[in-house]
Amino acid sequence: DVKVTQSSRYLVKRTGEKVFLECVQDMDHENMFWYRQDPGLGLRLIYFSYDVKMKEKGDIPEGYSVSREKKERFSLILESASTNQTSMYLCASSLAGSPYEQYFGPGTRLTVT
Amino acid sequence: AQTVTQSQPEMSVQEAETVTLSCTYDTSENNYYLFWYKQPPSRQMILVIRQEAYKQQNATENRFSVNFQKAAKSFSLKISDSQLGDTAMYFCAFKFTDSSYKLIFGSGTRLLVRP
Repeated sequence: DVKVTQSSRYLVKRTGEKVFLECVQDMDHENMFWYRQDPGLGLRLIYFSYDVKMKEKGDIPEGYSVSREKKERFSLILESASTNQTSMYLCASSLAGSPYEQYFGPGTRLTVT
Repeated sequence: AQTVTQSQPEMSVQEAETVTLSCTYDTSENNYYLFWYKQPPSRQMILVIRQEAYKQQNATENRFSVNFQKAAKSFSLKISDSQLGDTAMYFCAFKFTDSSYKLIFGSGTRLLVRP
C-alpha cells in the first residue's frame, strides 16, 4: 500500500513565524504535491514537484515555498505565517504519467493566530 | 480555464438507499480523465473511481458507479446500498491527458448516511 505521511496533524503558529510542513512517501513516486483545502473551495494546488530539486508553481503559490532534496520528501514552507494561511494542508504523491491517481496524506490543520 | 462544479454542498441518504452526487465540468479538450475522491472525517482522501473520457462505458467499482455524459460534460457518482462508512466529503476532479500532474477539484459534497 502507498503510504503518504505528514509531520503533524495539527499545528498552531503565531503570525510571522516560519512554518515547515513535511511530507514523506514510501512508494518511489516521481510527483509530489501540496494542496490547500478550504470549505467551499475544494483543493487548490500550491506547488508541485516532478523530481528532486524540481518544482512548479500551482494556482496559489504566493506566501509559500517548497523544498525537495530527496525523492521521498517534500516540504512546504511558510516564510512568514499569516492568519489567512490558516487552513488544511494536504500532501499527495503519484507516479509520473497521466492515468495515475494521486495518493494523499492525512492532512495538517494549521492555525495561525 | 477548466472548471469543475459540484452544486450540492451537502446531501443525506438513508442507509441502504441509493444516492447520486452531481458534477459538471467545463473544458474544450477532448481527452481527459475524471475522478471521484472520498475524504472520510479525519481520514485520508482516497480514490473512489476513475473514468477515461475516450471510453463510452461508465466506470463501476462495486457499489459505486458513474454516469458519464460527455456531451453534457456531466460526471455524476451513484452510490448504491449506502453504508454508514460512506459518510464523507466527496470531490470530483478533472485531469488533462497531456498533463502529468494537474488535477482540478470541485468544491466538494458532504454526504451523510443516516442509520
